[in-house]
Amino acid sequence: EPEVTQTPSHQVTQMGQEVILRCVPISNHLYFYWYRQILGQKVEFLVSFYNNEISEKSEIFDDQFSVERPDGSNFTLKIRSTKLEDSAMYFCASNPFINEQFFGPGTRLTVL
Amino acid sequence: LAKTTQPISMDSYEGQEVNITCSHNNIATNDYITWYQQFPSQGPRFIIQGYKTKVTNEVASLFIPADRKSSTLSLPRVSLSDTAVYYCLVGDGNSGNTPLVFGKGTRLSVIA
Repeated sequence: EPEVTQTPSHQVTQMGQEVILRCVPISNHLYFYWYRQILGQKVEFLVSFYNNEISEKSEIFDDQFSVERPDGSNFTLKIRSTKLEDSAMYFCASNPFINEQFFGPGTRLTVL
Repeated sequence: LAKTTQPISMDSYEGQEVNITCSHNNIATNDYITWYQQFPSQGPRFIIQGYKTKVTNEVASLFIPADRKSSTLSLPRVSLSDTAVYYCLVGDGNSGNTPLVFGKGTRLSVIA
């Protein structure tokens, strides 16, 4: 069964550093998303992406964040200058036309 | 977006049927009801989706009364591996490009 993959599984970085989280969505899916979950809290939407552009973004997704689909398979989330409060699990998700979203296993980001 | 209310936690013994009810009084005409499951340190996983009456798949059943102001996820004969957080979401299930809005979910603990 096809699945969404994410790398790395765990990323540790110093405050102020840039990080890039990578995702490979399911190949025939059309819509791509990033969500985050701070430890013990609910899953929060960050951004959605379709047809090579951002469709929607939340208030969390400020100028420090960017997304890119550099080729036909990868979907990346970049945080330019990490803050302590960016520490969270980051989930990538994708879906075909219908809204059944498939989530990846997540990247645990720890900002020191 | 329709707000959902579900119990914070539930306990069950192995082998029992578990019913988790979700209230969504302000559901819109084009909204679908979707349930996701999340294990610790993993991404959410789609369980079931419905619009009205009853939907059943190999994992669960979803009961939706005629007024659609609530829904019940039914898990038959739970096992220890069903211990997870279960989320009820309401939104446009037919539109592929729709971010998911998660609440706090129901933490189900299955006891041997």
